[in-house]
Amino acid sequence: KQEVTQIPAALSVPEGENLVLNCSFTDSAIYNLQWFRQDPGKGLTSLLLIQSSQREQTSGRLNASLDKSSGRSTLYIAASQPGDSATYLCAVDMGQFYFGTGTSLTVIP
Amino acid sequence: EAQVTQNPRYLITVTGKKLTVTCSQNMNHEYMSWYRQDPGLGLRQIYYSMNVEVTDKGDVPEGYKVSRKEKRNFPLILESPSPNQTSLYFCASSLFTGSSYNSPLHFGNGTRLTVT
Repeated sequence: KQEVTQIPAALSVPEGENLVLNCSFTDSAIYNLQWFRQDPGKGLTSLLLIQSSQREQTSGRLNASLDKSSGRSTLYIAASQPGDSATYLCAVDMGQFYFGTGTSLTVIP
Repeated sequence: EAQVTQNPRYLITVTGKKLTVTCSQNMNHEYMSWYRQDPGLGLRQIYYSMNVEVTDKGDVPEGYKVSRKEKRNFPLILESPSPNQTSLYFCASSLFTGSSYNSPLHFGNGTRLTVT
């Protein structure tokens, strides 16, 4: 069964810092990997989707990479802002979705 | 506006009283799914549907039912709710799944259910 792990569970950084969130998965037979943002009491918002054949995707200050063979993905956030404070989740699509438990990010002004 | 709509947002009920949480999407998506989110356990899939009249169990289907009679609607039914079903529930949809298409998952705003 697919296991998705996100480390660290929580992260606190000063504003302006570049940071990396990690996601690992045990079964590499995935179609794609998605990164989401969740604000307290809200639903999840899709940030980036990387197809299994791709190595990375970029959207603004966000860059996600995928190394399918090693079962790893990273989400890089450049020049962090207080508005980036949220929980970030990754999920792999195997026809059925499997989610990590998320990294709670706090950006301190 | 393209969206997934869940209702109600909050629901408090008693053990054994049947309830339905509705989910509707206006994006003509084929794939729809239900998740529950619990502290420390993350998001776990309850049921999913690849298309009309096609539903499959996720990881935690016990105590839940679903139906997909129309493409846009995917209601979640708790026939006899119990306190261990107290949770935050999310409905989600995407155009396709398990394919090479760029098809992100869209989520509703959630339903917070409390069963006493």
